[in-house]
Amino acid sequence: NAGVTQTPKFQVLKTGQSMTLQCAQDMNHNSMYWYRQDPGMGLRLIYYSASEGTTDKGEVPNGYNVSRLNKREFSLRLESAAPSQTSVYFCASSAPGLYEQYFGPGTRLTVT
Amino acid sequence: QKEVEQNSGPLSVPEGAIASLNCTYSDRGSQSFFWYRQYSGKSPELIMSIYSNGDKEDGRFTAQLNKASQYVSLLIRDSQPSDSATYLCAVGADGLTFGKGTHLIIQP
Repeated sequence: NAGVTQTPKFQVLKTGQSMTLQCAQDMNHNSMYWYRQDPGMGLRLIYYSASEGTTDKGEVPNGYNVSRLNKREFSLRLESAAPSQTSVYFCASSAPGLYEQYFGPGTRLTVT
Repeated sequence: QKEVEQNSGPLSVPEGAIASLNCTYSDRGSQSFFWYRQYSGKSPELIMSIYSNGDKEDGRFTAQLNKASQYVSLLIRDSQPSDSATYLCAVGADGLTFGKGTHLIIQP
């Protein structure tokens, strides 16, 4: 049981490049989330998906898109990366009704 | 704008003592409250959840909730050096609002 997995672990992009961060969970959870964590700012919600086929914006959605590919997978796409998107990105999932979220190991992204 | 406030610390506690971490939140309608532990360079790890007023104990950890005062706390008894980490308070349901965390240092 791997829990929540994320790929890649590290990534360096140039301004304007695009990339997709991948997240998968094997806990049969309905809800999945993307957060970013910046020094001095704490964790902030980017997007979430309460169930397969639905997505909703969080606190900081600008510059990102998401896809809930199936119940297991939830991807985050940066279409045109900017230095302000340099951050650590965490994916999380939760079981229905409990709201206890379990986090993946994170992706450390640097945009130059 | 929902807010969760924590003292950033560092909070320094002698080994074996009780560490007390506090958190206040702005959304009076909040129903779910969580404490996460995060070691440097690692992801947040859920250590406690609490949903109703009062105390909830799990091993050396006790979470306390007072909805009238919009206050959540975490007590760590018999603190160990391995408890040294940043503790994040989180509030909400679909999508959590996190505090910025309290850096706890347990001194041997």
